Amino acid sequence: GAGVSQTPSNKVTEKGKYVELRCDPISGHTALYWYRQSLGQGPEFLIYFQGTGAADDSGLPNDRFFAVRPEGSVSTLKIQRTERGDSAVYLCASSLNKNTEAFFGQGTRLTVV
Amino acid sequence: GENVEQHPSTLSVQEGDSAVIKCTYSDSASNYFPWYKQELGKRPQLIIDIRSNVGEKKDQRIAVTLNKTAKHFSLHITETQPEDSAVYFCAATSGSGNTGKLIFGQGTTLQVKP
Repeated sequence: GAGVSQTPSNKVTEKGKYVELRCDPISGHTALYWYRQSLGQGPEFLIYFQGTGAADDSGLPNDRFFAVRPEGSVSTLKIQRTERGDSAVYLCASSLNKNTEAFFGQGTRLTVV
Repeated sequence: GENVEQHPSTLSVQEGDSAVIKCTYSDSASNYFPWYKQELGKRPQLIIDIRSNVGEKKDQRIAVTLNKTAKHFSLHITETQPEDSAVYFCAATSGSGNTGKLIFGQGTTLQVKP
C-alpha cells in the first residue's frame, strides 16, 4: 500500500511568515511522529500523536510550533513567525501503534529566506 | 540528557568488503534500536532493528549486535555492494515503550567503491 505522504515536498517562505506542513500517514496507523532533520544531522523528535491527541510534545522547540491531528489520520505541523533557523527537512513517520516500527515519509524541505 | 553517539562519521570500503558502524546510547531504559538507511534526498528507510531482549539479529547481509551492559550496538554489512552507499543512522528509544520516539545518531556516510 501507499507509504507516508508529505506535502509540499519543498516550501520556501519569507522570515516572519506562517507555514503549514501536511502528513498523510499509512492507513490504519494510530501513532504519528514529527521530526526535524538539519543538514548533516540525524532526525530530532518533535511531537508524537496517539490517535487525535498529542501524547508527547516535548521536542517542540518553542511555542511558534504547533501540530494537530483532528481526525486521527492526517496531521498538520504549523509554524508561526518563521525564522531562518527553522530551515530544515521536516519528516513525518507513522506506526501501527507505539510498539511497532516507524515508517518515514520523504519530508518537506522548508527554507526560510 | 539522552544521547546516541555514532562512529565513524564517514566510512569508505571496497566492494565486497565488510562495513561496521558502532553506536553507544546513554538512556538505560532504551529498549528498541532501529537502523535506518537514507539515500540523498530520500526518506530514512528501516533496514533492521533489534529489541533489548535479543543480543543479535541477522537479515541476509546485514546484522546488528547489542550489548546492553555496555550500552553499545553495532551494524555489520557483509559483502558490500555499490548500492549500499548511503547515510546510515542508528537510533534508540527515548525511554521505553515507544518505538517511534527515537534519539538518532549523527549518521555515517558509507561509500562502497566498485
